[in-house]
Amino acid sequence: DTGVSQDPRHKITKRGQNVTFRCDPISEHNRLYWYRQTLGQGPEFLTYFQNEAQLEKSRLLSDRFSAERPKGSFSTLEIQRTEQGDSAMYLCAFPGPPETQYFGPGTRLLVL
Amino acid sequence: DQQVKQNSPSLSVQEGRISILNCDYTNSMFDYFLWYKKYPAEGPTFLISISSIKDKNEDGRFTVFLNKSAKHLSLHIVPSQPGDSAVYFCAASYNNNDMRFGAGTRLTVKP
Repeated sequence: DTGVSQDPRHKITKRGQNVTFRCDPISEHNRLYWYRQTLGQGPEFLTYFQNEAQLEKSRLLSDRFSAERPKGSFSTLEIQRTEQGDSAMYLCAFPGPPETQYFGPGTRLLVL
Repeated sequence: DQQVKQNSPSLSVQEGRISILNCDYTNSMFDYFLWYKKYPAEGPTFLISISSIKDKNEDGRFTVFLNKSAKHLSLHIVPSQPGDSAVYFCAASYNNNDMRFGAGTRLTVKP
């Protein structure tokens, strides 16, 4: 148990549809990170939050992607007009000692 | 830009022997290095880490070595067990932000 839940665990959608994922840390953390992992690659950083503020965005985060953390606890990641290239596992993580990040179980997205 | 590289996509070892997984990095600003283990359909699980000010960190059967001059780190697992079979990711970070991962090495430990 990493202390992070992600919902849904799996999502199949048709190209062009919008999808939203949710990440819930069990305990409060001021930072929250989103990553994407495609087949045969390691996780790639997408964005991170310090409380409610989104402080950094990767160039991977196109304008079809938006992330929020409205109350500084849970976070959502929305992908609009999904494309087949968006098929991946989406991971959220929170920091832990020492200088580590602990990952949730991920949401696996398949865009048909 | 691949700042963290794992050049061996797979490694197979016999149970009881040593597993050595290697990782190279290019960014000298990285101050922390980590190894994660990943099973299918799960998120990566933190295994062991090392600060850039150290050259070795040991935790049970797992030891991470850091060679800053060569920008190289390795994970040693001794003795290897079948339950260690998984994909291992090397990661590096600066100020615990924007963690960069290698592509992973699939370790298979044969009984």
